[in-house]
Amino acid sequence: DAKTTQPPSMDCAEGRAANLPCNHSTISGNEYVYWYRQIHSQGPQYIIHGLKNNETNEMASLIITEDRKSSTLILPHATLRDTAVYYCIVRVGMNTGFQKLVFGTGTRLLVSP
Amino acid sequence: SAVISQKPSRDICQRGTSLTIQCQVDSQVTMMFWYRQQPGQSLTLIATANQGSEATYESGFVIDKFPISRPNLTFSTLTVSNLSPEDSSIYLCSVRDSNSEKLFFGSGTQLSVL
Repeated sequence: DAKTTQPPSMDCAEGRAANLPCNHSTISGNEYVYWYRQIHSQGPQYIIHGLKNNETNEMASLIITEDRKSSTLILPHATLRDTAVYYCIVRVGMNTGFQKLVFGTGTRLLVSP
Repeated sequence: SAVISQKPSRDICQRGTSLTIQCQVDSQVTMMFWYRQQPGQSLTLIATANQGSEATYESGFVIDKFPISRPNLTFSTLTVSNLSPEDSSIYLCSVRDSNSEKLFFGSGTQLSVL
């Protein structure tokens, strides 16, 4: 699986958009971009994933550049409860038989009042 | 989404003993995974628990130290054997959702070894 690079920490004001970047310059054509987050002392929580197109769900939006070498997770209106470590993971699809996720060090997002 | 129940949520154990962690899922899943998260660190995959066959261990993890059982499609256990203080970590169970690309995680077991 391709390696990802994320900033170690970011700050965001409550109510503002949080934009978390991820570089994955060695991504292959069949690899997805996944985002998970881990709130202190809890198991990681799935946020969103995508292959080529931008994706949006009730939690966040995922913007993938046209060359797929980087992506941005957007939390449109950050709340204090969004304070967590956010992991960007690149991996092949589940149906290829490779099903595990390999976690990097992630970005620690602190949302402040 | 799959609902995962992991027990115990935390435990304090003596050096040299073992702890068995249970992972129960509310639906049948083909793949279950066990992760370790050492203090202040990211998650590291220990092994993939395969139903009906032996677990597949990642580099650095061995069956004698981390025996895994997977008796059916909804249940797995991880045992951490011959405990030492270095085994103090959070241990997490994870499953793949059968109908999607998502992996779901249990809430974890906080293990402290004295």
